Amino acid sequence: GAVVSQHPSWVICKSGTSVKIECRSLDFQATTMFWYRQFPKQSLMLMATSNEGSKATYEQGVEKDKFLINHASLTLSTLTVTSAHPEDSSFYICSALYTSGNNEQFFGPGTRLTVL
Amino acid sequence: KNQVEQSPQSLIILEGKNCTLQCNYTVSPFSNLRWYKQDTGRGPVSLTIMTFSENTKSNGRYTATLDADTKQSSLHITASQLSDSASYICVVNSYQAGTALIFGKGTTLSVSS
Repeated sequence: GAVVSQHPSWVICKSGTSVKIECRSLDFQATTMFWYRQFPKQSLMLMATSNEGSKATYEQGVEKDKFLINHASLTLSTLTVTSAHPEDSSFYICSALYTSGNNEQFFGPGTRLTVL
Repeated sequence: KNQVEQSPQSLIILEGKNCTLQCNYTVSPFSNLRWYKQDTGRGPVSLTIMTFSENTKSNGRYTATLDADTKQSSLHITASQLSDSASYICVVNSYQAGTALIFGKGTTLSVSS
């Protein structure tokens, strides 16, 4: 199956700093990638849809100025959490859309963000 | 409102036993239904994908069923192993929602020896 990687796998930062998370599709090109956030014992919540070469589409309630998304190439999307605060601590998961008949999303392994 | 409900919320079984997880959905229109396995601290991994016309699909010891009329799906795990301990998530894709997926909250399965 298609492989999606994320980097870093975990990060700890101080409140007020910015953190960048990378999502890469390793063996296929992905015009569309998705960013999710998952709190403990909760389901994945879609934050935004990232389209290569255009602006991301954010879900209602997600601050676009706080969660900056860049999809500069067909294999890389980045999520930058700006001025992070403890409430931003969560598990961030990306997925890449593999445009087969089922339009399957392949998920990355996730990034655990802890803001002190 | 598009929703995906899973039951039970959690389940504990002995190694070697079988179990069945349930998923009910109210998503319309319907494109496909997926079951994912998510290990703790990892991203979801696809187990099966079923479209409207498919009513069963297997992947090794995992067998998923779909009844599009009653909008119900199940995931059956046979001869469970310790490595099956994970969260199992039912996800429905609606054409109306485009490529956005509607997630259930998952069933946490613990397999003990």
